[in-house]
Amino acid sequence: NAGVTQTPKFQVLKTGQSMTLQCAQDMNHNSMYWYRQDPGMGLRLIYYSASEGTTDKGEVPNGYNVSRLNKREFSLRLESAAPSQTSVYFCASSKRGASDTQYFGPGTRLTVL
Amino acid sequence: GEDVEQSLFLSVREGDSSVINCTYTDSSSTYLYWYKQEPGAGLQLLTYIFSNMDMKQDQRLTVLLNKKDKHLSLRIADTQTGDSAIYFCAEMREGTYKYIFGTGTRLKVLA
Repeated sequence: NAGVTQTPKFQVLKTGQSMTLQCAQDMNHNSMYWYRQDPGMGLRLIYYSASEGTTDKGEVPNGYNVSRLNKREFSLRLESAAPSQTSVYFCASSKRGASDTQYFGPGTRLTVL
Repeated sequence: GEDVEQSLFLSVREGDSSVINCTYTDSSSTYLYWYKQEPGAGLQLLTYIFSNMDMKQDQRLTVLLNKKDKHLSLRIADTQTGDSAIYFCAEMREGTYKYIFGTGTRLKVLA
């Protein structure tokens, strides 16, 4: 099992460019999550998908969209990147969803110039 | 508020015990977690504790929970240089999908 995988590992964008961060899990988990990590702020939830076919906003959803493509894959899209979106992005998944342990991917380091 | 608080830095000598502290906010939190993040890597689950427990031991790791004071600690016995990392505590609110993370404690182990 690879667990949770993310692509790309690193990305540099110019302000206004768009991109999609990919996440996949092979643990047959129902729920998936996107977080961003900024210095001194821990991790903050952007969006989550409780189950295939559903998505919900987290703490900091502005400027992002998500797609739960199927049970395995959950993508995060930046339509018009801004310097404030420079961060490390982590995808996570959990088997049952609410009140359940989350397992994290290795992260994508994004820089917006 | 929703803050989960941790001290930012801790430095210990190799072989000593490390104690990383965390104060959380919500008494309805059902699970409390400790994650480890090594440089350039994702978060690795170390251990977790149910809110109806007050202690959990797992090899070199001991988790203590004081529910009255909403205080969680992680003790690492015989700390090694490989334990140098950032340690995050997180609380899971009952019936939600939401983790609330602390800001992380950077542990530095001196040889």
